[in-house]
Amino acid sequence: EPEVTQTPSHQVTQMGQEVILRCVPISNHLYFYWYRQILGQKVEFLVSFYNNEISEKSEIFDDQFSVERPDGSNFTLKIRSTKLEDSAMYFCASSPQIYNSPLHFGNGTRLTVT
Amino acid sequence: DQQVKQNSPSLSVQEGRISILNCDYTNSMFDYFLWYKKYPAEGPTFLISISSIKDKNEDGRFTVFLNKSAKHLSLHIVPSQPGDSAVYFCAASVTGTASKLTFGTGTRLQVTL
Repeated sequence: EPEVTQTPSHQVTQMGQEVILRCVPISNHLYFYWYRQILGQKVEFLVSFYNNEISEKSEIFDDQFSVERPDGSNFTLKIRSTKLEDSAMYFCASSPQIYNSPLHFGNGTRLTVT
Repeated sequence: DQQVKQNSPSLSVQEGRISILNCDYTNSMFDYFLWYKKYPAEGPTFLISISSIKDKNEDGRFTVFLNKSAKHLSLHIVPSQPGDSAVYFCAASVTGTASKLTFGTGTRLQVTL
């Protein structure tokens, strides 16, 4: 069964550094998402992306965050200047359609900001 | 933000018995509901969904019930198996919001032998 793949599985960075989290969505999916889960908290929506632009973003997704689909397969989340509170599991997801369609999640990247 | 709530953080059920996981929501605009299962070090895995036009959806051992008037949904797993031990999340979305899901806090299910 096709799956969403994320790299790296664990990223450690120092506060103030830039990080790029990478995802390869399922190949025939058109809609892409980033979610995050801070330890002990809910899985939270960050951003949705379709047709090379952001469809919707949450209040968490401020100017420090950006997303890009640099080629036909990768989908990236960049955090420009990481803060301690950015430490979390970041999940990429994709879906074939936008309405009433389950999201398929990757296994996540654990980001640790020291 | 408590739009989706799972009030039981954990549940223990014997193998072969029924597991019932509950979820409440407050946003009456939600019209699509999903259950995900999550193992440690993995992403959420989709289990089953239901649209607000239905009150029940079944897929093998998994059945989701939706009570719109009570703003409540439940997931029934029968019979429960040890491999079902995981954290279960309910999630909800509003059609027209780019499939933005609002998740509950999760219920850890332990199926014992």
